[in-house]
Amino acid sequence: AQTVTQSQPEMSVQEAETVTLSCTYDTSESNYYLFWYKQPPSRQMILVIRQEAYKQQNATENRFSVNFQKAAKSFSLKISDSQLGDTAMYFCAFMKQVGNEKLTFGTGTRLTIIP
Amino acid sequence: DAGVIQSPRHEVTEMGQEVTLRCKPISGHNSLFWYRQTMMRGLELLIYFNNNVPIDDSGMPEDRFSAKMPNASFSTLKIQPSEPRDSAVYFCASRRRDYYNEQFFGPGTRLTVL
Repeated sequence: AQTVTQSQPEMSVQEAETVTLSCTYDTSESNYYLFWYKQPPSRQMILVIRQEAYKQQNATENRFSVNFQKAAKSFSLKISDSQLGDTAMYFCAFMKQVGNEKLTFGTGTRLTIIP
Repeated sequence: DAGVIQSPRHEVTEMGQEVTLRCKPISGHNSLFWYRQTMMRGLELLIYFNNNVPIDDSGMPEDRFSAKMPNASFSTLKIQPSEPRDSAVYFCASRRRDYYNEQFFGPGTRLTVL
């Protein structure tokens, strides 16, 4: 079974600064996908960024980028030039590429951007 | 595209009552997932369907929970009888297999059982 661990329950950062959220996972699979989802107070789950395990290049989406270390089973999210709208819960999630297609989530990190 | 639609958005009921949550996936998506979010257990899968067929229902808590997908555009999650510990946010998500990796989530239904 897969597990996803987010060791930072809460973080806060000043607006315009850079923040990194940590995620580690455990799996015996070779091929899989990793995701970061954002859940603002509206509770809507919004995909922030995804990474295919077979790709060595780290994914980037505007101000959001990941540091994917497959050997270390680490998948951190970096938010640059943080904005007030980035305040939310952030969930790291794992999905097998073959077989069971469910998402396995971490426990989340509550991020607060301070004006 | 309208996105995943869930109804109701909020439901308050009394213990012992039947509750039915509804989901309309994104058109063209052929996988549908039901997740539950609680403070104690976080986000966990209850059941998912591929092409309207249940694939993994190991997350369904007990016989009081049942889910159906009679066609590609509609699914229900039913709790009968409901209990206070069922209080949670229930999310429906859909995905087009073999094309998109990600699951698209609905807005969720907040269920409160008194």
